[in-house]
Amino acid sequence: DAGITQSPRYKITETGRQVTLMCHQTWSHSYMFWYRQDLGHGLRLIYYSAAADITDKGEVPDGYVVSRSKTENFPLTLESATRSQTSVYFCASRHGGAGETQYFGPGTRLLVL
Amino acid sequence: AQKVTQAQTEISVVEKEDVTLDCVYETRDTTYYLFWYKQPPSGELVFLIRRNSFDEQNEISGRYSWNFQKSTSSFNFTITASQVVDSAVYFCALSPSFGNEKLTFGTGTRLTIIP
Repeated sequence: DAGITQSPRYKITETGRQVTLMCHQTWSHSYMFWYRQDLGHGLRLIYYSAAADITDKGEVPDGYVVSRSKTENFPLTLESATRSQTSVYFCASRHGGAGETQYFGPGTRLLVL
Repeated sequence: AQKVTQAQTEISVVEKEDVTLDCVYETRDTTYYLFWYKQPPSGELVFLIRRNSFDEQNEISGRYSWNFQKSTSSFNFTITASQVVDSAVYFCALSPSFGNEKLTFGTGTRLTIIP
């Protein structure tokens, strides 16, 4: 049971480049989420999706784009990476609505030079 | 608006000591859920517990126990007879019971168990 996976696990890129972080879950969970984790801020929600083709902004969506054409995949794209987007990115999924447990992927460490 | 406060940024204890991690929350919702997650040095986020606001019974799972007190808006986590493997960052989180709303995380408590 693979659960929820993220790729790549580590990425170094340069300012201005486009980067896509992948997230895949095998549970057929309806909800998927993208968070970033930075020192002193805990985890902050970037975008979430309630189902395929339904996405919505979280706390810190600027500079990011998401799509969800299939239930199992939820890619996060940094259209033009900036140094402030250096962070650890976590994908999560949840079976049902609010109150259900979110399960997290292993994370992607992104460094923008 | 929801808020979760973990006032203890870092805690260090000697192995086998008991340690309590504090979590205080704010919400206007009458029903909600509380969670604890563990983030070991390897970096992944591991789910530990989910508690409904209707259920104020304390919960024990092995060396772990949780004390939920609605009157003080707290959901504290105690590790009994701590072990080195308990060294991690622990996050408390809050979710409403309805809607698509996000999980609100505290900023975490870094726990170091000294052998």
